[in-house]
Amino acid sequence: QQQVKQSPQSLIVQKGGISIINCAYENTAFDYFPWYQQFPGKGPALLIAIRPDVSEKKEGRFTISFNKSAKQFSLHIMDSQPGDSATYFCAASKYQGAQKLVFGQGTRLTINP
Amino acid sequence: GAVVSQHPSWVICKSGTSVKIECRSLDFQATTMFWYRQFPKQSLMLMATSNEGSKATYEQGVEKDKFLINHASLTLSTLTVTSAHPEDSSFYICSARDLAGGSYEQYFGPGTRLTVT
Repeated sequence: QQQVKQSPQSLIVQKGGISIINCAYENTAFDYFPWYQQFPGKGPALLIAIRPDVSEKKEGRFTISFNKSAKQFSLHIMDSQPGDSATYFCAASKYQGAQKLVFGQGTRLTINP
Repeated sequence: GAVVSQHPSWVICKSGTSVKIECRSLDFQATTMFWYRQFPKQSLMLMATSNEGSKATYEQGVEKDKFLINHASLTLSTLTVTSAHPEDSSFYICSARDLAGGSYEQYFGPGTRLTVT
């Protein structure tokens, strides 16, 4: 019940296209859903996060869509650029308390020029 | 934004020796820090939650006697890998929360690459 399932495992998108990564969670107690970007040899960096009180959140080219009834959330990267090539992780946790993050398996995104 | 540093960034040690990794919050106080482990091309696995002034809470399956965590101040947590073996080789990442800053975001360090020969 603690799992977060992420797909696809890898994704290749042409420059200027839309990259879409999906995640599904099981624990209905989770109420904080962040996305992280990680470059090789570096720690993860927070991209954008959402809480269940909204169905969508947009920050620049990055959008999270959230479907509470389906227990799914997704990351959309608009106008994808070669610099977006990285590994993306979704995660979930309870907002209050210890906030132990449960990470998805990761998606290796490659943006072709 | 809040910055978390780790030292060293990479370390090579011989089998049987111990290695200490430091995690510091540079511009905020962190009552809680987290330690993760990441194998190549895999996800982050939470190892333990480090609380300032108290014992760390370890995740199931993590040997507390092997991975010693000390959170002696509000800006420093250390992870000591004792009697390291080649299977302990991994990328270790810490994170910290800046609760006083009003954010629930976890800020991650740059990671420490441990290679045990």
